[in-house]
Amino acid sequence: AQKVTQAQTEISVVEKEDVTLDCVYETRDTTYYLFWYKQPPSGELVFLIRRNSFDEQNEISGRYSWNFQKSTSSFNFTITASQVVDSAVYFCALRQTGANNLFFGTGTRLTVIP
Amino acid sequence: EAEVAQSPRYKITEKSQAVAFWCDPISGHATLYWYRQILGQGPELLVQFQDESVVDDSQLPKDRFSAERLKGVDSTLKIQPAELGDSAMYLCASSSRTGEISGANVLTFGAGSRLTVL
Repeated sequence: AQKVTQAQTEISVVEKEDVTLDCVYETRDTTYYLFWYKQPPSGELVFLIRRNSFDEQNEISGRYSWNFQKSTSSFNFTITASQVVDSAVYFCALRQTGANNLFFGTGTRLTVIP
Repeated sequence: EAEVAQSPRYKITEKSQAVAFWCDPISGHATLYWYRQILGQGPELLVQFQDESVVDDSQLPKDRFSAERLKGVDSTLKIQPAELGDSAMYLCASSSRTGEISGANVLTFGAGSRLTVL
């Protein structure tokens, strides 16, 4: 069985603050992929990052960074110096190797207040 | 930039009516997915196509939902009859074959079709 938990339903921050979105997953597989998607008010899901279960290196892309810790089954996402345009719902997702389904968490709604 | 096209963007219907959604994936993407996203939840897979064949429809309520991708390009998702509980966003996504077996393939999503059943 697989499960993705995003315990933070909603987060509000003031512009320029840093914010971390938590993602905890469960899977019996040793090989899997983790993803983060952003869903702005327009509705489409925008791909942000993919991480292989064997690659625990943290990744930074501009103001975005991701911390993958296999020991705690977590794949957290940090936005540095948040901006109003970061306001969206963010989804963490898991796919086991060979599985068809990309399994999503329930999402975290981030509101950045100007 | 290539995108997944979906229509209509919004649909309001009365229960027991039929409704259809259309999706045109990114050109060359062999795999097409239909997801349903209920308000406040994450998307859930309804059906997956590989070219024109159904790969996974285990979560599709087949008594009222049907999906087809006759020529392996665009796809239609139909609901008949619609029920109140079908109110949701219906998202289409596509991906290339690259990375599919390993699970690494990235899904590109359309803007979705929001259904309201009254």
